Amino acid sequence: DAGVTQSPTHLIKTRGQHVTLRCSPISGHKSVSWYQQVLGQGPQFIFQYYEKEERGRGNFPDRFSARQFPNYSSELNVNALLLGDSALYLCASSLHAPSYNEQFFGPGTRLTVL
Amino acid sequence: GQQVMQIPQYQHVQEGEDFTTYCNSSTTLSNIQWYKQRPGGHPVFLIQLVKSGEVKKQKRLTFQFGEAKKNSSLHITATQTTDVGTYFCAGTGTASKLTFGTGTRLQVTL
Repeated sequence: DAGVTQSPTHLIKTRGQHVTLRCSPISGHKSVSWYQQVLGQGPQFIFQYYEKEERGRGNFPDRFSARQFPNYSSELNVNALLLGDSALYLCASSLHAPSYNEQFFGPGTRLTVL
Repeated sequence: GQQVMQIPQYQHVQEGEDFTTYCNSSTTLSNIQWYKQRPGGHPVFLIQLVKSGEVKKQKRLTFQFGEAKKNSSLHITATQTTDVGTYFCAGTGTASKLTFGTGTRLQVTL
């Protein structure tokens, strides 16, 4: 079975632009979570979706939004990009709610904002 | 909000030496997970602990959850070069949100 896939792998944007990151969970997994990982730090929770509903949101501004589709894939959108948004964006899937289940991480999307 | 700190931030050991990383939460946790992230890679799940005082072993790795469910530790016996990476704990508090720790980077040399 394929693992969690994310696209694109790398992305370079300029300040003020908009970006959409995509994630496909492991087949059968209904929960997708998004994390931001700045170099040298631990992943910071952004959103959790389970059964297509938002089940949790981290301390990120409204410029960050996400959604989960009927096939359980997910998109993370970031508007009005700032230099500080440069980071590795990780998607993780789990069979059920991630707080109590093993999460499987994708390879991430490396976003650079210039 | 909930904060999860790990010490040390970085440790350099020679192959064969033991290694321990400690994880401390500002709030009581319902469970704790441990992940390993190799350089340039993504976090990989190692284990989950749920019960107060729980101890679990995986070959050379020993994981412990504190009695008060606010701290945890990971101990590696006789480190190998394949143990290189950053080890993160991640805890679930009252908000049912998984909060990752600050991580401990382990370097192992021959």
